[in-house]
Amino acid sequence: GAVVSQHPSWVICKSGTSVKIECRSLDFQATTMFWYRQFPKQSLMLMATSNEGSKATYEQGVEKDKFLINHASLTLSTLTVTSAHPEDSSFYICSASLMLRGETQYFGPGTRLLVL
Amino acid sequence: QKEVEQDPGPLSVPEGAIVSLNCTYSNSAFQYFMWYRQYSRKGPELLMYIYSSGNKEDGRFTAQVDKSSKYISLFIRDSQPSDSATYLCAFYGGATNKLIFGTGTLLAVQP
Repeated sequence: GAVVSQHPSWVICKSGTSVKIECRSLDFQATTMFWYRQFPKQSLMLMATSNEGSKATYEQGVEKDKFLINHASLTLSTLTVTSAHPEDSSFYICSASLMLRGETQYFGPGTRLLVL
Repeated sequence: QKEVEQDPGPLSVPEGAIVSLNCTYSNSAFQYFMWYRQYSRKGPELLMYIYSSGNKEDGRFTAQVDKSSKYISLFIRDSQPSDSATYLCAFYGGATNKLIFGTGTLLAVQP
């Protein structure tokens, strides 16, 4: 149980294009979903927290107009990287929690983004 | 002082060895203590979860929380090459609704 999927698993795009990453909780309803970014050999950096039907809460330093988050249902959240640039290349990971609190999070397999 | 400290390693051990991983933390508001395992190019997988304090055992894995010392540990018995991964400690509690991660310890179990 508690399986989270992400799609796509990897994507290569040209600079200036937008990329959408989907995160789905497959066997449970996720009250809260989280988006993380991870650089090589570094830990996870929380980008934003989203609850179904409401606006995402972004961490300090994360541009909300650059990283658009939509949490349309209890099983789906999307992250859109708008006008991607090479510095946006990273490993993006989502997680989902059964509860409003985030102490138990189940992570997706991650999406590797390479912007050329 | 950092909120969470974790030795990044790498830690290399022979197959069958007992592995000890640990983290220290400074925030006394933390109430939930987790260990995640992350294989290369994959998302983290929840291994162990302790609320408040004490010990928890699951197969070859044992987690311990010492709140008085603000120190948590993960022990792996009879380590296997398949245990080779990065192990992340994580904490939750206090005013913020988010997990605080350690930097991760890279473990390599040599066959």
